[in-house]
Amino acid sequence: GAVVSQHPSWVICKSGTSVKIECRSLDFQATTMFWYRQFPKQSLMLMATSNEGSKATYEQGVEKDKFLINHASLTLSTLTVTSAHPEDSSFYICSASGVVGYGYTFGSGTRLTVV
Amino acid sequence: GENVEQHPSTLSVQEGDSAVIKCTYSDSASNYFPWYKQELGKRPQLIIDIRSNVGEKKDQRIAVTLNKTAKHFSLHITETQPEDSAVYFCAARRGGSYIPTFGRGTSLIVHP
Repeated sequence: GAVVSQHPSWVICKSGTSVKIECRSLDFQATTMFWYRQFPKQSLMLMATSNEGSKATYEQGVEKDKFLINHASLTLSTLTVTSAHPEDSSFYICSASGVVGYGYTFGSGTRLTVV
Repeated sequence: GENVEQHPSTLSVQEGDSAVIKCTYSDSASNYFPWYKQELGKRPQLIIDIRSNVGEKKDQRIAVTLNKTAKHFSLHITETQPEDSAVYFCAARRGGSYIPTFGRGTSLIVHP
């Protein structure tokens, strides 16, 4: 149980375009989803926390207008990187949790390359 | 907030040797300590966890110990194999919270 799917697994886009990444909980209802960014050989950096039906809470230093998060249902959250630039190239990973104190499952990750 | 320190950042061992990764945490309210293994380009996978009411937990070749008084916990891997090579992250989470705080990671290299 507790499967989280993320799509796409990799994407290459041109500078200035927007990219949408989807995160789905397949076999449970994820009341809360989290988005992380990971640079090579570094730890997971929490970007934002999203609760179904409400606005995401962004970590300090993360531009909410650049990284748009939507958590429209209990099984789907999306991260849109708007007006992407090469410095946005990174590995983005979502995670989901259904109940406090249980299950913190990661998605498969998305490798974003902006050229 | 919680602060998790992890050491070493890189650990190189020979196949068959043991490997130990150590973490410390700052928030005495943390009560859940998971360990994740991340292979290159893949998602972190939970490999073992321990709750604050337990001092040690073992699963085959891996074990985790927790010292609540000293606020530190460790991952022990015995009889290491090349496929154990990966980045390992410790984390700490306080009761009532969804979000764990991650350590910086340890790159484990097991030489055949």
